[in-house]
This record gives sequence, C-alpha cells and structure tokens, in this order.
Amino acid sequence: DSGVTQTPKHLITATGQRVTLRCSPRSGDLSVYWYQQSLDQGLQFLIHYYNGEERAKGNILERFSAQQFPDLHSELNLSSLELGDSALYFCASSVARMGSPDTQYFGPGTRLTVL
Amino acid sequence: AQSVTQLDSQVPVFEEAPVELRCNYSSSVSVYLFWYVQYPNQGLQLLLKYLSGSTLVKGINGFEAEFNKSQTSFHLRKPSVHISDTAEYFCAVSARRGYSTLTFGKGTMLLVSP
Repeated sequence: DSGVTQTPKHLITATGQRVTLRCSPRSGDLSVYWYQQSLDQGLQFLIHYYNGEERAKGNILERFSAQQFPDLHSELNLSSLELGDSALYFCASSVARMGSPDTQYFGPGTRLTVL
Repeated sequence: AQSVTQLDSQVPVFEEAPVELRCNYSSSVSVYLFWYVQYPNQGLQLLLKYLSGSTLVKGINGFEAEFNKSQTSFHLRKPSVHISDTAEYFCAVSARRGYSTLTFGKGTMLLVSP
C-alpha cells in the first residue's frame, strides 16, 4: 500500500459524458502527478500540481483539466469523453522539492471505460 | 526533453534463470533514472533509482541495475527469477533540474514460467 488513494476504482460511462477522478496523496506530500496508461500510448504524464498550483503540463488534452485543493487532494476532470479516452488513470504523489530526486508513490489507478 | 526506449516488449524466462531487461534513454539534460514494477491490477512500485555515485544500484526483491553514461543505458538484472517476479517493468527518467516529472518507457512484460 503506497498511501495514495484513488476513487473510484472503475468507471464506465458513455461518449460525450464528463467524469471526475479523485486522488488523495500520502500524508505530507505536497505534489500530485496524473498519468494516463493506455495500450497504444503507454504511460504518459498529464499534469503536475504542487501545493495547489499547476507546475507542469504534459500531453493533456484541452478537454481534460485538474486542480489541487487546499487539503491537497486532487481531481482530474475529463469531459466530452471519446472512446479513445478509455485507459487507466494513475495519480502519484511526492514531497517534490525543486531539483530533488523525490520518489513518486503511485495509487492503484482508476480504470475508465468509455462506451 | 527526454525519451526512454525499452527494447523488449516481452521477455519469457524460466524460474531460477537470470534475466536482463534493457533500457536506453535520450536526454539533452542530466537525468535521474528509475525502474518501476507493475504487478497485475496494481499501481506502480519503485524497484530502484540511480541518483549519483556508484553506477551499480541495488533495489528491492533482489534486482539491480547498472548505469552506463557512455551508452545511455540503465539495464535491470536479476540473477535468479521467481514466478512472483512476473509483472510489467518500466524504466523512467526525470530531469535533474526542476520538478521530478517522469518520462516512462513502453514497458517490458517479464513472464516467468516453471
């Protein structure tokens, strides 16, 4: 158990819908990272938040957005869903000091299926 | 920008045999190097990481990896595998400057059979 929690574990929805994935980081970790894992693209970095502020963006679509709340939990919002958005979405957390090789601890993931 | 190439998508091996999973990277800046393991239906778990110093890094579950700067490689090895090592293994890099965003390879599925 990494100490990172993600809900829900599974999500099945239809094209065009909007969903919210939730992540709670390990106690004391200020950074939250979101990754998407799919068969064709592999594991791709989406976005990084540090203490409530966006710090880095990866291959995140405009239809996707995220935020980190004062209690440090984070939500990833996916809208206008398409079949190709079906994937495993992972959240990771770390202490994350600049230039520091912090270990990222991964949650169990949310499996999104878009029908 | 960084990129990671894992040369084998699948590596089948018999129990108690040695194994090497290959990883090469490309980066315009200095990087930290990581190996993560993903067991079926689970999240990723850190196996080991190279930060600096000795190029041979020991990790959990008997795994080790060697950093080779001239060949830009970070191959993962285990002298004797167990059935329980069956999992997907990901090599990753992060830039030494800035925040530690990870760039992953496509993964190598290690299949250990009796």
